[in-house]
Amino acid sequence: GESVGLHLPTLSVQEGDNSIINCAYSNSASDYFIWYKQESGKGPQFIIDIRSNMDKRQGQRVTVLLNKTVKHLSLQIAATQPGDSAVYFCAENIEGYQKVTFGTGTKLQVIP
Amino acid sequence: GAVVSQHPSWVICKSGTSVKIECRSLDFQATTMFWYRQFPKQSLMLMATSNEGSKATYEQGVEKDKFLINHASLTLSTLTVTSAHPEDSSFYICSARDFAGGNNEQFFGPGTRLTVL
Repeated sequence: GESVGLHLPTLSVQEGDNSIINCAYSNSASDYFIWYKQESGKGPQFIIDIRSNMDKRQGQRVTVLLNKTVKHLSLQIAATQPGDSAVYFCAENIEGYQKVTFGTGTKLQVIP
Repeated sequence: GAVVSQHPSWVICKSGTSVKIECRSLDFQATTMFWYRQFPKQSLMLMATSNEGSKATYEQGVEKDKFLINHASLTLSTLTVTSAHPEDSSFYICSARDFAGGNNEQFFGPGTRLTVL
C-alpha cells in the first residue's frame, strides 16, 4: 500500500456549508499559532493567527479556536465557497524564536 | 501585505549541476528569511533559517554543503542546490519575516519547482 505520508486528509464540503479543519500541535511551549492556505503550485497564504492568551479569534468568514489543554487548534470557515478549495496547514511557533513548525495539512474540497 | 518573490518559478536541470534560487522581499526589509522544501502531498519542512549578514542555521538532516544559503542583503537570500540529483526534485519555498514594529507574521514566496533529470 501507499505510505501514510503521501496522503493528505481530505475534507469534502458542500458549497455554502461551514467547514471545520482540525489540527493537533506538538509543542506545549508553543504560544503563537497560524493557519495557512496553500493552493496548488503556490506558496502558503496567511489566513489568521492566534496567541495562546486567547481561545478564539475571528476574521472575515474564518474563526480559529485554540484549546491549549489538549493542544488542539481548529479553523472554521463559514459559508464555504469553491475558492476555498486548497490545502490548509496549521503552524506553531514560540514567540521570540524564529522557527515556525508546520502541521501535516488538510485538503479541503468544496463541492459546487 | 508584504510581498516575497522567488526566481525562477520553475527549473529543470541535469543531474550533477547546481541550481540557484533567489528569494526577495519586495517592499520590506527581512532580517530573517527561511527556506522550506515540500514534497508532493506533504507539509512544508524547514531546511534552514537565514539571518542577514550571518551564516544560516540548518535543520537536522539538511546538508549545509549541499544546500548553500546566502543572505547578503536585507531583501535577498539565495539557495543553491549543489550537484543536484533526482531526489532533490521538490518544491522550494522561501519566507521572510518583517520584524519592523514587532510584526510576527511570516510572508511566503510563490515557490520554485525544481526537477532534476
